[in-house]
Amino acid sequence: GEDVEQSLFLSVREGDSSVINCTYTDSSSTYLYWYKQEPGAGLQLLTYIFSNMDMKQDQRLTVLLNKKDKHLSLRIADTQTGDSAIYFCAESLYNQGGKLIFGQGTELSVKP
Amino acid sequence: EAGVAQSPRYKIIEKRQSVAFWCNPISGHATLYWYQQILGQGPKLLIQFQNNGVVDDSQLPKDRFSAERLKGVDSTLKIQPAKLEDSAVYLCASSLVGTGAGNTIYFGEGSWLTVV
Repeated sequence: GEDVEQSLFLSVREGDSSVINCTYTDSSSTYLYWYKQEPGAGLQLLTYIFSNMDMKQDQRLTVLLNKKDKHLSLRIADTQTGDSAIYFCAESLYNQGGKLIFGQGTELSVKP
Repeated sequence: EAGVAQSPRYKIIEKRQSVAFWCNPISGHATLYWYQQILGQGPKLLIQFQNNGVVDDSQLPKDRFSAERLKGVDSTLKIQPAKLEDSAVYLCASSLVGTGAGNTIYFGEGSWLTVV
């Protein structure tokens, strides 16, 4: 079945690292994505990883993928107050034309 | 480059009324998506168009929702009659082709619907 799960809330101090976790169920996923949504705005693509990769780094962002456990994480280094937002993980289903299935989102709160 | 344009941004209607949302994708993008995002949840795909053809409408409640993309450019999503549970943000998105890392999906700011 198709299901993407995330924890709902994360609170960190400015300057700390944030780690947002996600689990998915569909083994046919080809790409996995992280999107950011600020209040009143649409979704902004942050980064993605192909399912045959273990890790991808992009400036302050590090994505780790454990395909065996179907676990994805997003690490934000040196978290800033501007990083406060809701973060969505999404999987792209190969056997359904690349359809995106989103998790319910993790609200990241960064305290000064 | 202009982004995905949506209108109206906000709409309040009474249950059983109808509403229509409009979307203009990024120029040249063949694929257009409508997502429904209920408060506290992730977006759920309602319908996906490739040019003016429907690729996936399996989660569109066809008894009350309809969507069209007649000329393969802009699109309209209609709800008639609306129910209380239709209160949500309706996100339009577009991409050059289909989903995949080489085809980033760009989202509009959404149309916020409240049904009272």
